[in-house]
Amino acid sequence: EVQLVQSGAEVKKPGESLKISCKGSGYSFTNYWIAWVRQMPGKGLEWMGIIYPGDSDTRYSPSFQGQVTISADKSISTAYLQWSSLKASDSAMYYCARHSSSYDINSAFAYWGQGTLATVSS
Amino acid sequence: EIVLTQSPGTLSLSPGERATLSCRASQSVSSSHLAWYQQKPGQAPRLLIYGASSRATGIPDRFSGSGSGTDFTLTISRLDPEDFAVYYCQQYGSSPQAFGPGTKVDIK
Repeated sequence: EVQLVQSGAEVKKPGESLKISCKGSGYSFTNYWIAWVRQMPGKGLEWMGIIYPGDSDTRYSPSFQGQVTISADKSISTAYLQWSSLKASDSAMYYCARHSSSYDINSAFAYWGQGTLATVSS
Repeated sequence: EIVLTQSPGTLSLSPGERATLSCRASQSVSSSHLAWYQQKPGQAPRLLIYGASSRATGIPDRFSGSGSGTDFTLTISRLDPEDFAVYYCQQYGSSPQAFGPGTKVDIK
């Protein structure tokens, strides 16, 4: 069974750093693109970027380029989303999602993590 | 960069009625790389339709997708009480991929 299990909720202060994780299991982690999606409170879904764990090829939305870093450690089947200096506006639910077709950057998101709620407040 | 718009913003219907949701792209979506997702409160999104018209695994046949180019439609033939939710379209044919703003289907 394919599963994406995300790290738990975080409460941080502005200016702090944060790294959240998404562990994949039940499939070949290196062969599928993983995406990160933001959902601010009461708002819609925003595509942040994707990573191919096999070679760490990464693409970012222009809206998030330079604001976050997406990475992966294939040895432990885990993808990461990190911030070096958080802002209050980074408060949101963050989902990881796996593409449905192996190797294919152009495929829909068939599997989703449960989400990680990040709260940034002084 | 492709921008998606969805209409209407909210659709108020009764169980058993037909729902028609629209998704329009600012540019042609390559190879019909258009998906639809359902999201209920407190839950992660769920893939319903991919490739504009193919149902994902386990999705009931009352859900259907159609369209190509810049205009796409999600139809729910007869609304079940569990179908009241927010629906998002997504284009995944070009980078950056993008979601539409969503259509909320609520109970009339």
